[in-house]
Amino acid sequence: AQKVTQAQTEISVVEKEDVTLDCVYETRDTTYYLFWYKQPPSGELVFLIRRNSFDEQNEISGRYSWNFQKSTSSFNFTITASQVVDSAVYFCALSENNYGQNFVFGPGTRLSVLP
Amino acid sequence: SQTIHQWPATLVQPVGSPLSLECTVEGTSNPNLYWYRQAAGRGLQLLFYSIGIDQISSEVPQNLSASRPQDRQFILSSKKLLLSDSGFYLCAWSPPGLGVETQYFGPGTRLLVL
Repeated sequence: AQKVTQAQTEISVVEKEDVTLDCVYETRDTTYYLFWYKQPPSGELVFLIRRNSFDEQNEISGRYSWNFQKSTSSFNFTITASQVVDSAVYFCALSENNYGQNFVFGPGTRLSVLP
Repeated sequence: SQTIHQWPATLVQPVGSPLSLECTVEGTSNPNLYWYRQAAGRGLQLLFYSIGIDQISSEVPQNLSASRPQDRQFILSSKKLLLSDSGFYLCAWSPPGLGVETQYFGPGTRLLVL
């Protein structure tokens, strides 16, 4: 069965610090997809990244970077030089290659960036 | 470009009253549509998904039902609300097909049942 764990319930950092949000997943499938979403206080989930299980290249997008390691079943998310606007709940999600409807979300990590 | 709308944004309803939440998508045809519930301080729970008109699958048995009367319209309903139905309801869409596609979320509806 699929499972996504985000062990960090809440993280607080001071602006300009780097912060890493952990995501560990469980799946029996060899083909699967991983996602990160951001949920700001307004509530809407904003898609950040999608990665398939065959692509282990790390990705960088501006201040955001993602480290995908199949050996440890982790898909960690790092924000460099954090800003107050990064304050949100971040969700990691997993979907196996069977009908896409089966998205499993982690419990989320609430990030507070203090000025 | 595609957009997804949900209304109302906020709703306060008494226990036992009916519910109807609406979600519409623009800019795409035959999307997959989803209803999620997010209880306070918790993760997302998939309630229903639909791959086409009148094709609804329920993930969790409950007091709620869903309908898709038109291609880009997805409605979440209840005949009698329970206190436990309170939460944040999110509609999402993904491109058509049965493969894994990114889901894009609407702004959500905050429901408080008193």
